Amino acid sequence: DTEVTQTPKHLVMGMTNKKSLKCEQHMGHRAMYWYKQKAKKPPELMFVYSYEKLSINESVPSRFSPECPNSSLLNLHLHALQPEDSALYLCASSLQTVEYTDTQYFGPGTRLTVL
Amino acid sequence: ELKVEQNPLFLSMQEGKNYTIYCNYSTTSDRLYWYRQDPGKSLESLFVLLSNGAVKQEGRLMASLDTKARLSTLHITAAVHDLSATYFCAGNTGTASKLTFGTGTRLQVTL
Repeated sequence: DTEVTQTPKHLVMGMTNKKSLKCEQHMGHRAMYWYKQKAKKPPELMFVYSYEKLSINESVPSRFSPECPNSSLLNLHLHALQPEDSALYLCASSLQTVEYTDTQYFGPGTRLTVL
Repeated sequence: ELKVEQNPLFLSMQEGKNYTIYCNYSTTSDRLYWYRQDPGKSLESLFVLLSNGAVKQEGRLMASLDTKARLSTLHITAAVHDLSATYFCAGNTGTASKLTFGTGTRLQVTL
């Protein structure tokens, strides 16, 4: 099973709202990622969790707050977003050992619109 | 800092034709990945290339890696409409698997 699931599929929120994106995998992967992708652009890394600890924050504004409650779950809490934050948010996971190819498997994404 | 460039950015090709997408990267990359993305969809892993001279093939797609030239290619043989998608290459450094994506190549296969 190489499936990463994300909910919701679509989200529309106002600039004063608080919402959360959820990502789940049951492949035993120990690294999980959040990416942001604007239309016709490549994905941009936001955060990396390795063994449930935040290992990379790519200078993401504090209105985005990641959380990794356990090794299978990854959340992205959203607060006071701006219209320019509208994008496809992709979650990914990987096994994270040097012996393996460490391919990242991506979820279907959440299409976020900020009004 | 790793930089990854792809060309062409857009490729329109007829069914049955062959073509190659190029991926250049700026510094040593531990691994080189190829992904496919259909419009509005997520990324699907196609290939991972680990070492110089590596070649992987799946159906009409073949990927290769030349680490000395810092170049990977994705060759399409006898294109069919189902291959229409955006193709990304990506490199990474370090065990944290921080992927740096290329700009993407939007492939359109016409009848």
